[in-house]
Amino acid sequence: GQQLNQSPQSMFIQEGEDVSMNCTSSSIFNTWLWYKQDPGEGPVLLIALYKAGELTSNGRLTAQFGITRKDSFLNISASIPSDVGIYFCAGRPGANNLFFGTGTRLTVIP
Amino acid sequence: GAGVSQSPSNKVTEKGKDVELRCDPISGHTALYWYRQSLGQGLEFLIYFQGNSAPDKSGLPSDRFSAERTGGSVSTLTIQRTQQEDSAVYLCASSPPPGSHSYEQYFGPGTRLTVT
Repeated sequence: GQQLNQSPQSMFIQEGEDVSMNCTSSSIFNTWLWYKQDPGEGPVLLIALYKAGELTSNGRLTAQFGITRKDSFLNISASIPSDVGIYFCAGRPGANNLFFGTGTRLTVIP
Repeated sequence: GAGVSQSPSNKVTEKGKDVELRCDPISGHTALYWYRQSLGQGLEFLIYFQGNSAPDKSGLPSDRFSAERTGGSVSTLTIQRTQQEDSAVYLCASSPPPGSHSYEQYFGPGTRLTVT
């Protein structure tokens, strides 16, 4: 199946710091999505990217669809305690299924 | 509007018993997906329904797993003769009809299955 490498696996940061995480794939994706999952909840869609090179923001979140179509990153600026959770990237290679990364667990220290 | 709902939220069953998990997608969404998430892991694709087309069952781990979608809306995931390794959170997602945002999947809260 598709290989999606997400890094880092976990991050511990101080409140107010910026965060960056990324995903790389072994093959080309046509869509990249970023989700956040809180404990006991389903993943919530944060940002969707549809074109190579696309840079999209949603509040303090910014995500980019890599030019090679094999990678994407998510940045969170000025982190706050409620940013805590697990962030997943997901990519669509061409069919309708999404392949998910293994997640980045973010801890924000007040 | 209402999001994806799943029931039950938690299910504890004995090894060897059958279980049924239910998913109600967002109204108007034509695609429905089932995923499995083991503790601390990412999401594993199980099955995908799109409208009246034949489902994509390529992710089902064994023939003990099956799913139906009645009337193009509600879906039931059935696991027969449950095993301890089936313990996980089962997540359902739906997405809009084919179009510009049809690849955006919206998830329910999941059903936590524990097989004892």
